[in-house]
Amino acid sequence: KQEVTQIPAALSVPEGENLVLNCSFTDSAIYNLQWFRQDPGKGLTSLLLIQSSQREQTSGRLNASLDKSSGRSTLYIAASQPGDSATYLCAAIGANSKLTFGKGITLSVRP
Amino acid sequence: NAGVMQNPRHLVRRRGQEARLRCSPMKGHSHVYWYRQLPEEGLKFMVYLQKENIIDESGMPKERFSAEFPKEGPSILRIQQVVRGDSAAYFCASSPPSRTASNTGELFFGEGSRLTVL
Repeated sequence: KQEVTQIPAALSVPEGENLVLNCSFTDSAIYNLQWFRQDPGKGLTSLLLIQSSQREQTSGRLNASLDKSSGRSTLYIAASQPGDSATYLCAAIGANSKLTFGKGITLSVRP
Repeated sequence: NAGVMQNPRHLVRRRGQEARLRCSPMKGHSHVYWYRQLPEEGLKFMVYLQKENIIDESGMPKERFSAEFPKEGPSILRIQQVVRGDSAAYFCASSPPSRTASNTGELFFGEGSRLTVL
């Protein structure tokens, strides 16, 4: 059974810092890995999808990496801004596109 | 191209009533997934459906919960005789048909339906 862990549960940083959010998963037989953002009371916004054959994906100030053999993914956020404050969810995608989510990391970027 | 549409966005029910949550997938998508987010917990898979078929319902509670995705119309998640523990956000996601160029395995989520049971 796949388990996804995101530690720490919460993170507070000053504006402008580069930061790394970590995600680990127990079963390396994943198809893809997807990072989402969730604002309070809102839905999920897809940030990046890394297919199992890829090692990283980039979109603007975001870069996500995937190391299947070690069961890890990281989301790198460059030059953080207060608008980046949200909960970031990592999800491992298995057969039938079924997602197993971590509990998320709640990020607060202080002005 | 509208995204995944869920309604109602907020639903209040008293214990023992029925809740019906609807999900219209993105245009061209034939796969629908339902997830539940309980307070202070992560999102948990409930059920995966294609048109007129339940593919995987391993995450559905054995009683009171059912889901369908008819040939015409939205997918429906139905909760009978709701209890306070059913209070949660219910998210629907969709993806294109398998084995198509547009299917990267990415799921697209709706805004969710937030159920409160009094």
